[in-house]
Amino acid sequence: EVQLLESGGGFVQPGGSLRLSCTGSGFSFSSLAMSWVRQAPGKGLEWVSAVSASGATTYYAESVRGRFTISRDNSQITLYLQMNSLRGDDTAVYYCVKGGGSFPGHAFDIWGQGSMVTVSS
Amino acid sequence: EIVMTQSPATLSVSPGERATLSCRASQTISRNLAWYQQKPGQAPRLLIDDASTRATGIPDRFSGSGSGTDFTLTISSLQSEDSAIYYCQQYNSWPPITFGGGTKVEIK
Repeated sequence: EVQLLESGGGFVQPGGSLRLSCTGSGFSFSSLAMSWVRQAPGKGLEWVSAVSASGATTYYAESVRGRFTISRDNSQITLYLQMNSLRGDDTAVYYCVKGGGSFPGHAFDIWGQGSMVTVSS
Repeated sequence: EIVMTQSPATLSVSPGERATLSCRASQTISRNLAWYQQKPGQAPRLLIDDASTRATGIPDRFSGSGSGTDFTLTISSLQSEDSAIYYCQQYNSWPPITFGGGTKVEIK
């Protein structure tokens, strides 16, 4: 079964840091680009970041550029999102998502269960 | 950045009737468009990619059409389990990959 399992969410104060992890199984993890998509409470979907299959190329939404870092360890079939300088508007469910090619530019055919990140004092 | 605009915001349809959802891109995106369904408390699920290709396991009452800037998702005979929010997404010009604001489908 193709599956993405996220971990690492939680509660953090403004200005703090958090790292999300996502482990993939049931597919060729190292061959496919991966992304993070978030959804603030009661709001729509927002693409956050993507990484190519090799990990060599990364992409960011303007809202997180310079604060978030996406990376992957293909030997551990794991995707990461390091989130620094967190703000209240980063509060959201963060989804790990799988695309259909080695670079972004494909639909997201598999989604993780989501990891809640709450930024509040 | 390509802006995706969905209409209507809310659609109320009787069981067995047809539901038509629209999505418009601010620039041409060829056929690089996907539709997702999201039910409360769940992750989104891919319904359609490349504007009209149903994803694995998606019932054939769901169909997509369009190209360029105007796209449509049609649910031919609405079932109670189709009550959800539907999002369109473009992956033609990125970054960023962008989503529409969603259409909520309610059962009358």
